[in-house]
Amino acid sequence: KAGVTQTPRYLIKTRGQQVTLSCSPISGHRSVSWYQQTPGQGLQFLFEYFSETQRNKGNFPGRFSGRQFSNSRSEMNVSTLELGDSALYLCASRGTANNEQFFGPGTRLTVL
Amino acid sequence: EDQVTQSPEALRLQEGESSSLNCSYTVSGLRGLFWYRQDPGKGPEFLFTLYSAGEEKEKERLKATLTKKESFLHITAPKPEDSATYLCASMGYNKLIFGAGTRLAVHP
Repeated sequence: KAGVTQTPRYLIKTRGQQVTLSCSPISGHRSVSWYQQTPGQGLQFLFEYFSETQRNKGNFPGRFSGRQFSNSRSEMNVSTLELGDSALYLCASRGTANNEQFFGPGTRLTVL
Repeated sequence: EDQVTQSPEALRLQEGESSSLNCSYTVSGLRGLFWYRQDPGKGPEFLFTLYSAGEEKEKERLKATLTKKESFLHITAPKPEDSATYLCASMGYNKLIFGAGTRLAVHP
């Protein structure tokens, strides 16, 4: 069974730009969560999507948004990038049998 | 407020020297306590889920246990390839709350 995939793996942007990251969950998983990981703050929850609906949201500004498609693939968008948005963005998928979340390799975003 | 605290921040062991990592949690409505392993530049790799106090799970040299306030990850006779950051997370309502992790270095 293929794991969670994320594209692109690396991204360099400048302040003020916007970026879209993509995540394909494990086949059959309908829940996708996004996390931001930085050295200072660790892993922090951004939001979760289930069946195309945002089910939960973390404490991030409105510049961070997401969506989920009917095939469960999800995208995350960050507008008006700031230097502090440089981080590893991780996507995790979850099935319906239990609460176990499986992570993708992440997208390393660098904002210059 | 839901919170997860891990200790120690960093741990250095000699190969074969057993030890334990601690994870203290406060969360309303615990729906699982999770352990992950993360190597540099990679996503977290799922290790264990524990759901109720007294539960234990094992995988190779790792054993996870759970009480009402803490979880422990016991590492028996570690090898250098066990070097990684170990993350603990609790699940409240549909989101994982992570601790800061324990950086484990195992030296030959």
